[in-house]
Order: sequence, then structure tokens, then C-alpha cells
Amino acid sequence: AQSVTQLGSHVSVSEGALVLLRCNYSSSVPPYLFWYVQYPNQGLQLLLKYTTGATLVKGINGFEAEFKKSETSFHLTKPSAHMSDAAEYFCAGGPNNAGNMLTFGGGTRLMVKP
Amino acid sequence: GAVVSQHPSRVICKSGTSVKIECRSLDFQATTMFWYRQFPKQSLMLMATSNEGSKATYEQGVEKDKFLINHASLTLSTLTVTSAHPEDSSFYICSVSTGRNEQFFGPGTRLTVL
Repeated sequence: AQSVTQLGSHVSVSEGALVLLRCNYSSSVPPYLFWYVQYPNQGLQLLLKYTTGATLVKGINGFEAEFKKSETSFHLTKPSAHMSDAAEYFCAGGPNNAGNMLTFGGGTRLMVKP
Repeated sequence: GAVVSQHPSRVICKSGTSVKIECRSLDFQATTMFWYRQFPKQSLMLMATSNEGSKATYEQGVEKDKFLINHASLTLSTLTVTSAHPEDSSFYICSVSTGRNEQFFGPGTRLTVL
């Protein structure tokens, strides 16, 4: 069975500071991994994904994530936080057998202080 | 990607009534859609997988007779909450699977049962 864990339900950073949101997965084989962002009362928007190939993945809005098999991690980073980055972030994993199911982490609320 | 819409965006109903939520894939022929529910400040919980032309596959603990799913066309899946009760109040989100290890999400429907 696959699980996705996000460490820290709330993360607070100052505007301009580094953003680091942690995600670890547990599965017998490396899954496909995704980061989504959710603004209040809205659906989820895909930030970036890892399937195969390059382990450092760049997404929208300046975010990137690195797949580290040895650490079973897929942490999300952004060099400089912006006020508009304040939102809920979800890490999700799906089996790499071209299946469609996704398992979501518990989510991390990012707060950005001026 | 795929553009997904949901209707209505918000609905308030009395206890005991039934509510239908529509999920439309506007630019993609979706053979598979997913229905999630999200309680406040929590992650998404998969309710069911909706397959065009066949019965939905429900997750453990989800009452199939209470949450009726119909996926009659490649662009429309509906979720009907039958005999709704206050505990069914939640944010319901659908997604479209493009079969390329990605899901694209609708904007969600906020259901409030009085």
C-alpha cells in the first residue's frame, strides 16, 4: 500500500524567505509524485509532477521539487516566498503503472508574513 | 491538461433532501473521473472512481446507496447525495483523469445541509 506524508500541517515564512514544504512517500516502488496548490474554496491546481527522468522538477510560480529515492522524499521549495503563495499545498502520489489513482498527503498550510 | 467545471459551486439544502452535483470535462473525453470530499482543514478523501458507461467503484466506507454516481457520457459525471444530513456537509471535488498519470480538478462544490 502506498502512503504520502506531509510533515508540518502549518508552515509560516516571511515574504522573501525560502519556502520548504516536506513530503515523504511510502511505497514498494517509486510512485509518480505531484504537488498541488489549493486556494480557499477552490479546487486543486497542479504545481508540478515527477514521473520519470530528471529528479529535479520545476513547476509553475517558481516552485520546484526534487525526487530523492534514497530519502523517499519529494520536498517542495521556492527560493523567495511571495504573499500570493499563501495557500494549502498537497503532495500526492500515484502508482507508476499508468494507473490513475492518487493518494494525498494531509496538506500543509503555508502562511506568508509581510 | 483538462478544464473541469462543477455545478453548483455552492448549495444549501434541508435535511432529507437530495442534491445533485455535476462535474463536466470541457475539453477532454474523460473515461475516468474521481469524486473526493474534503472536510474543513483536512485533505482530500477519495470517495469513488467514476467510469463512463459502467458502475462506479466506491472506496471502503462510502455508502453507494447514499452517494449515487452516474457517468453517462465522456464529459459528464454526476454525484447525487441522497437524503442529505448535516454530517454530509462538506466540500465535494471532482477530477478528470487524462490517463497520463495526471488528474485535473474541478473548482469544488460546497454543500451545506441544514
